[in-house]
Amino acid sequence: DAGITQSPRHKVTETGTPVTLRCHQTENHRYMYWYRQDPGHGLRLIHYSYGVKDTDKGEVSDGYSVSRSKTEDFLLTLESATSSQTSVYFCATQGADTQYFGPGTRLTVL
Amino acid sequence: GENVEQHPSTLSVQEGDSAVIKCTYSDSASNYFPWYKQELGKGPQLIIDIRSNVGEKKDQRIAVTLNKTAKHFSLHITETQPEDSAVYFCAASFYGGATNKLIFGTGTLLAVQP
Repeated sequence: DAGITQSPRHKVTETGTPVTLRCHQTENHRYMYWYRQDPGHGLRLIHYSYGVKDTDKGEVSDGYSVSRSKTEDFLLTLESATSSQTSVYFCATQGADTQYFGPGTRLTVL
Repeated sequence: GENVEQHPSTLSVQEGDSAVIKCTYSDSASNYFPWYKQELGKGPQLIIDIRSNVGEKKDQRIAVTLNKTAKHFSLHITETQPEDSAVYFCAASFYGGATNKLIFGTGTLLAVQP
């Protein structure tokens, strides 16, 4: 699993509240990614990072922001959670071509 | 835009039979094609990958084939076992922004009946 942890693993929150998900890696990989997984959609890229303080948008970035202040940590923030953001969120890191995934965070927005 | 289509969405086989999952991709510049297995409640795990300079790759009971001209690639699992039951995702690389990224298929739920 390339030493990837995600926290929290489960979270229930209410519409309109801010939420931050954390991804931590121990592999010193330069590239990190946030995906969401929904039935019928597979894995869709939200944001990614190509270095400390270097981030870019993916295909479903609206309503999400990210930050990377050090190599090992990549944070995903939902500024004001909506029910459409109920999903399972996966972090991944990339070594060479290969992406390695964390265990996921199940987020429910009521 | 870039797209990966995956079929079938569900597949049920008897233990010992073979299973085949097929994917097509849209970006002719894609050059890396990984396959992931996801068990219930876990993150996807890489099981095999292939690069565009190779037509076939095998790893024990798993093989992947790539047809660049037709832009499709397939996962073959032989002598299936109950522990092969999982969701399988294909993906294709594409370059956009600062790095190569992956576009994923929508997944295939494989059920191996004992």
